[in-house]
Amino acid sequence: EAGVAQSPRYKIIEKRQSVAFWCNPISGHATLYWYQQILGQGPKLLIQFQNNGVVDDSQLPKDRFSAERLKGVDSTLKIQPAKLEDSAVYLCASSFGTGGSPGNQPQHFGDGTRLSIL
Amino acid sequence: AQTVTQSQPEMSVQEAETVTLSCTYDTSENNYYLFWYKQPPSRQMILVIRQEAYKQQNATENRFSVNFQKAAKSFSLKISDSQLGDTAMYFCAFTEGSQGNLIFGKGTKLSVKP
Repeated sequence: EAGVAQSPRYKIIEKRQSVAFWCNPISGHATLYWYQQILGQGPKLLIQFQNNGVVDDSQLPKDRFSAERLKGVDSTLKIQPAKLEDSAVYLCASSFGTGGSPGNQPQHFGDGTRLSIL
Repeated sequence: AQTVTQSQPEMSVQEAETVTLSCTYDTSENNYYLFWYKQPPSRQMILVIRQEAYKQQNATENRFSVNFQKAAKSFSLKISDSQLGDTAMYFCAFTEGSQGNLIFGKGTKLSVKP
């Protein structure tokens, strides 16, 4: 089966510009996650979708970050305006789980987008 | 709040030898899952092994095994017969059963030397 697809692989922008990342999960996976991984740290959850609804966005900086998953399949994460501290790898993951015990479902990760802010 | 601690920022091992990576976690939940993920320079997180907290038996996947000590909240990863391809960052991660979002440690950089 095809894995989680992300694009672009790399992005360089100047601070205060905007940027968008795209993720297409594994076919049939209801749950989609966006993680931010700052250099030298483990990934941190930004937002979790189940189908096209938001399950958890408590750690998403909503003044500058937004995400959507309109048809319950692919998703877009946007940053506007970008700050220097947003330099990181943005990882998308998906899992089959639709409820009950989503922690029981292993997450499959994409290759990530490395964002550099100048 | 749940936390995951990996106390070894870097480790190295000779090819064909055995190495153990440490992980401790903190939670008040009873239903949770623990994972080890491998992240090579390509950046993709690859699931290595998974443990359900309600299972007493330690998980094993080929050369990878865990030592799960629930009372001590410890979850170490043992890699036997280390191979050059095992060189990567290894992340310990935790998720509560009803949530799904992973909480990661800071990682251990493992280098396998020929």
